[in-house]
Amino acid sequence: EAGVAQSPRYKIIEKRQSVAFWCNPISGHATLYWYQQILGQGPKLLIQFQNNGVVDDSQLPKDRFSAERLKGVDSTLKIQPAKLEDSAVYLCASSPRGGEKLFFGSGTQLSVL
Amino acid sequence: GNSVTQMEGPVTLSEEAFLTINCTYTATGYPSLFWYVQYPGEGLQLLLKATKADDKGSNKGFEATYRKETTSFHLEKGSVQVSDSAVYFCALTRGGATNKLIFGTGTLLAVQP
Repeated sequence: EAGVAQSPRYKIIEKRQSVAFWCNPISGHATLYWYQQILGQGPKLLIQFQNNGVVDDSQLPKDRFSAERLKGVDSTLKIQPAKLEDSAVYLCASSPRGGEKLFFGSGTQLSVL
Repeated sequence: GNSVTQMEGPVTLSEEAFLTINCTYTATGYPSLFWYVQYPGEGLQLLLKATKADDKGSNKGFEATYRKETTSFHLEKGSVQVSDSAVYFCALTRGGATNKLIFGTGTLLAVQP
């Protein structure tokens, strides 16, 4: 079966610019997650969707980050404006109906200069 | 709050050596415990899990036992191979509506031939 697809693979921007990441989960997976992984740290959950509704966005910096999952399938994470500290790998994951096994994409590596 | 603490890396071993990567957790109640692995250039993938005290998770020669009395979930393998070189993440989830995965900081394992 096809895995979780993410794009782009790499992105370099200057601070105060905006950027968007895209994720297509495994077909049929109801739950979609966005994680932020800063170098040397473990992944941190930013937002969790169940179908197209938000279940948890408690650690999402809502003044600059936004995410949507239209039609309960693919998702977009946006940062506007970006800060230096947003440099990280952004991981998308999916699971069937919030199951304990998450399937991760390869991530988008963001560098903010 | 809920958290996971892993031994710092990198861990460098020769092929066929015995591996232990320590992991301890802090959580209320009875979390489920996981080890995820990230091979170079790939996404995170579930290696093994245990859902209750004294359970042993195993996969690909790796094992970890859920020890409630010591709040630990140490990863072990009797004989490592070069192909085991990767970053290993310990994680927990407390279940509930969000079933959020909380990760440790990761331990880099480098196996030399």
